[in-house]
Amino acid sequence: AQKITQTQPGMFVQEKEAVTLDCTYDTSDQSYGLFWYKQPSSGEMIFLIYQGSYDEQNATEGRYSLNFQKARKSANLVISASQLGDSAMYFCAIGSTAGGTSYGKLTFGQGTILTVHP
Amino acid sequence: NAGVMQNPRHLVRRRGQEARLRCSPMKGHSHVYWYRQLPEEGLKFMVYLQKENIIDESGMPKERFSAEFPKEGPSILRIQQVVRGDSAAYFCASSPLDRPNEKLFFGSGTQLSVL
Repeated sequence: AQKITQTQPGMFVQEKEAVTLDCTYDTSDQSYGLFWYKQPSSGEMIFLIYQGSYDEQNATEGRYSLNFQKARKSANLVISASQLGDSAMYFCAIGSTAGGTSYGKLTFGQGTILTVHP
Repeated sequence: NAGVMQNPRHLVRRRGQEARLRCSPMKGHSHVYWYRQLPEEGLKFMVYLQKENIIDESGMPKERFSAEFPKEGPSILRIQQVVRGDSAAYFCASSPLDRPNEKLFFGSGTQLSVL
């Protein structure tokens, strides 16, 4: 079984500042992937970033980076230079990548609401 | 290149009626996943389908819920005799699967409200 824990129900950040959203996970799989999704108030789920369990480098996608600490089982999302449009719910998720391919059965955390202040 | 298309966007049903939710995956994707999001919660996996096959339905409630992905046409999530507890956002996602580390592409969801 897999589990994602997001301990921050809500976070506030000033525009142009960086913010870190916490995510810890638990899994018995040796090979897995960690994902972050953004859900704005309009409701759609937007993929942000992916980290494979065997990737040695932390993933980066534009202003998003994933601080992957395997020994601590944490996969925190760092958003640099926050923008007002970053205000949304953010979900961390984990999926098995057995066999080297990504399997779309993801386990999601409860989410963190990020509010960016001007 | 159209994304994952879900319709309707909003669906209102009275208790006891049937709800049919449709999902057309992205072009070239033959794998479809359905997720349910209850208020104030994260998404929960329901079912994974390939064309004409149910691969994993471990997240589907045992009764009243069914899903299909026919050879032609969209994937359908069907809820019979809806109850108030079925009120939720239902998301469909698709992937080609055959590429490692492929992210899921989600649709905009269907918000089901049961009166």
